[in-house]
Amino acid sequence: DVKVTQSSRYLVKRTGEKVFLECVQDMDHENMFWYRQDPGLGLRLIYFSYDVKMKEKGDIPEGYSVSREKKERFSLILESASTNQTSMYLCASSLASLSYEQYFGPGTRLTVT
Amino acid sequence: QKEVEQNSGPLSVPEGAIASLNCTYSDRGSQSFFWYRQYSGKSPELIMSIYSNGDKEDGRFTAQLNKASQYVSLLIRDSQPSDSATYLCAGSNSGYALNFGKGTSLLVTP
Repeated sequence: DVKVTQSSRYLVKRTGEKVFLECVQDMDHENMFWYRQDPGLGLRLIYFSYDVKMKEKGDIPEGYSVSREKKERFSLILESASTNQTSMYLCASSLASLSYEQYFGPGTRLTVT
Repeated sequence: QKEVEQNSGPLSVPEGAIASLNCTYSDRGSQSFFWYRQYSGKSPELIMSIYSNGDKEDGRFTAQLNKASQYVSLLIRDSQPSDSATYLCAGSNSGYALNFGKGTSLLVTP
């Protein structure tokens, strides 16, 4: 069964803090993704990775960085959290195949105060 | 810009009726299409994938793809209150990432 887990369901951080969001998948998927979802704006891709140590910017990478040291783990880092980064953060993974079906984790609702 | 457009709704249907959700896309290179269901406060769940023109059925769900018209739809037969959710349409042009629509809110009334 497909399984993507995220380190926290809810997180509250203060402005300026460094924030780490972790995602782990157990499906041996090559591709991993970080999205944020905001009302009225839909899902927006922040970064993705198609292999260990490889990363590509998505549509809104500013203020974020990522790390993928192992195939199953993809981390999103907010270097200095700001209130406009309050959002639902969703991790997803997919096989490197023509199907490109993405499977999502449960999400982390981050509040920056 | 690779757009996937959906009517935001809400689409309201009575219990037992057919719900029809529609999606159009601008990228003619898109080959694969997906429907996700998202309950309030939860993450998207993949419910249907479709890769070729025509219909694909899975239980009460039927996905329809028309590449000439750049149109994808999802039909839900015998709609149940538990089907009330936001439905996201997504397309892929064989790149890594999916292009998501903003979703259609479906409300099934008892």
